[in-house]
Amino acid sequence: ILNVEQSPQSLHVQEGDSTNFTCSFPSSNFYALHWYRWETAKSPKALFVMTLNGDEKKKGRISATLNTKEGYSYLYIKGSQPEDSATYLCAFMQTGANNLFFGTGTRLTVIP
Amino acid sequence: DGGITQSPKYLFRKEGQNVTLSCEQNLNHDAMYWYRQDPGQGLRLIYYSQIVNDFQKGDIAEGYSVSREKKESFPLTVTSAQKNPTAFYLCASTIRFQPANYGYTFGSGTRLTVV
Repeated sequence: ILNVEQSPQSLHVQEGDSTNFTCSFPSSNFYALHWYRWETAKSPKALFVMTLNGDEKKKGRISATLNTKEGYSYLYIKGSQPEDSATYLCAFMQTGANNLFFGTGTRLTVIP
Repeated sequence: DGGITQSPKYLFRKEGQNVTLSCEQNLNHDAMYWYRQDPGQGLRLIYYSQIVNDFQKGDIAEGYSVSREKKESFPLTVTSAQKNPTAFYLCASTIRFQPANYGYTFGSGTRLTVV
């Protein structure tokens, strides 16, 4: 089982603040890195799928970067809104594998 | 709308009983997965299937069984051999051979409690 670590475990921010969190994964045999948003009582939804070192993806106020050589990815949220409150999961796929290994998630609460 | 349906949402099982969790998708995805979530842990893979009539064990397959008789359906049976079955179970699917381009689609989960 591969080790995928996310930090912090939880985070409280004020509405309008920008925030970021980290996903660390093994730097060898990298294939893909996924980010998901999981709102309470709903199913996880894919945010980004990243494959190339240096990749940067953006969806509205949310963006992600990827460093495969050092084994980390950052997720940034600009101007947090209450609807951004959710658990953000990252998941790593190794070359030759058929499945994702998930981190424990970062639980974000945006206070109005 | 296409998606994944898991049922039931809540399930109670007596010790020693087998129970089956349903997962159905209408996305025409080839690959389907079962994950288990326990407090403080990431999602852990139980079983996965890349094609009809074929499936592989994941990291925590002991005490579980699956079948894949139809592309749309991937039921999970929690047997009496599973020592600690109380958990939240998530089903997912994706396009086969495209995990570097497409994310997984998840169901809304089944919470199983042993009473």
